[in-house]
Amino acid sequence: NAGVTQTPKFQVLKTGQSMTLQCAQDMNHNSMYWYRQDPGMGLRLIYYSASEGTTDKGEVPNGYNVSRLNKREFSLRLESAAPSQTSVYFCASSVGQGAWQYFGPGTRLTVT
Amino acid sequence: AQSVTQLGSHVSVSEGALVLLRCNYSSSVPPYLFWYVQYPNQGLQLLLKYTSAATLVKGINGFEAEFKKSETSFHLTKPSAHMSDAAEYFCAVSDRRGGADGLTFGKGTHLIIQP
Repeated sequence: NAGVTQTPKFQVLKTGQSMTLQCAQDMNHNSMYWYRQDPGMGLRLIYYSASEGTTDKGEVPNGYNVSRLNKREFSLRLESAAPSQTSVYFCASSVGQGAWQYFGPGTRLTVT
Repeated sequence: AQSVTQLGSHVSVSEGALVLLRCNYSSSVPPYLFWYVQYPNQGLQLLLKYTSAATLVKGINGFEAEFKKSETSFHLTKPSAHMSDAAEYFCAVSDRRGGADGLTFGKGTHLIIQP
């Protein structure tokens, strides 16, 4: 099992450009999550998907959109990147509420 | 709303000494509690979790944590620190109201091991 995979690993964008971060899991998990990690802030939830076909906002959703393409894949889109979105982005998945979350290796995004 | 406070953004201990990383939470309902470890340039790895069974939870790499409801705490300990324990540690909470609304993380504690 690969677990949770994320692409790309690194990305540099100019302000105003768009991009999609990809995430896939092969553990047949129902729930998937996107977090961002910033120095001194811990991890903050951007969006989550409790099950295939549903998505909900987390703590910091502004400037992002998500798509739960199928049970395996959950993508995060930045329509118009801003320097404030420079961060490390982590995707995670879990069986469901209360179960621990498995994290991907992260995508380091820099917006100039 | 739930929140997590980790006391001390950096903790330094000598190799072989006791490791104690503090975590306090607030939650309106009995929570699930987790400790994760993050090594440099890697994702987060689960150390241990509390979900209402025994209050003393044992995890990987010799770590354990005790859930104390009266103190709303879930401190992480290890009797003897090893150089390989140097990493960032995150405490996280999830409530039990159903759904899958993600985890609320503390801001992290950077553990430094002195030789």
